[in-house]
Amino acid sequence: ETGVTQSPTHLIKTRGQQVTLRCSSQSGHNTVSWYQQALGQGPQFIFQYYREEENGRGNFPPRFSGLQFPNYSSELNVNALELDDSALYLCASSPGHADAYEQYFGPGTRLTVT
Amino acid sequence: GEDVEQSLFLSVREGDSSVINCTYTDSSSTYLYWYKQEPGAGLQLLTYIFSNMDMKQDQRLTVLLNKKDKHLSLRIADTQTGDSAIYFCAEISGGGGNKLTFGTGTQLKVEL
Repeated sequence: ETGVTQSPTHLIKTRGQQVTLRCSSQSGHNTVSWYQQALGQGPQFIFQYYREEENGRGNFPPRFSGLQFPNYSSELNVNALELDDSALYLCASSPGHADAYEQYFGPGTRLTVT
Repeated sequence: GEDVEQSLFLSVREGDSSVINCTYTDSSSTYLYWYKQEPGAGLQLLTYIFSNMDMKQDQRLTVLLNKKDKHLSLRIADTQTGDSAIYFCAEISGGGGNKLTFGTGTQLKVEL
């Protein structure tokens, strides 16, 4: 158990809708990263937040956005859902910006877009 | 850009050693990782190695790094059925927010 929790566990949405996924970091961790894992693939980096500021972004369109709150919990928002957004979304927390090489993952949220 | 490659599948008998291999392209990689993913679950950090090290051992796990050939391997001694999972190799380079770049994963099947 990493102490990183995500909600919901599973979610089904319709194309064009919007979705918010949530992550609670391990206690004491102030850096959170989000990844998308399509079926049969390795996770792909979406973005990272450090102390409520975006600190790096992968090759994802602007309709993927995030927030980090003062208690270091985090949200991933996806607008205008597409079928290809169906995936497992993983968040990972790290002890700090300088220690972001240690990333501990939550169990993920399985998103299905129909 | 960064690229990480792994073989897709490995089958071993219980009690044997497993060796999972990975190659990467980014010469500025600072840390290299092995994660384990069981069906329907998130990723478990197994071990990682700093790029100036050649080897790291942690109980049944041995990581070997050949920086010249950009080759990373994970050896699991005395493989058990509970080791059946997908194993991901990943690397991190300092620029761009410390993002992990993952391979496509190696599915390890342990047979009795």
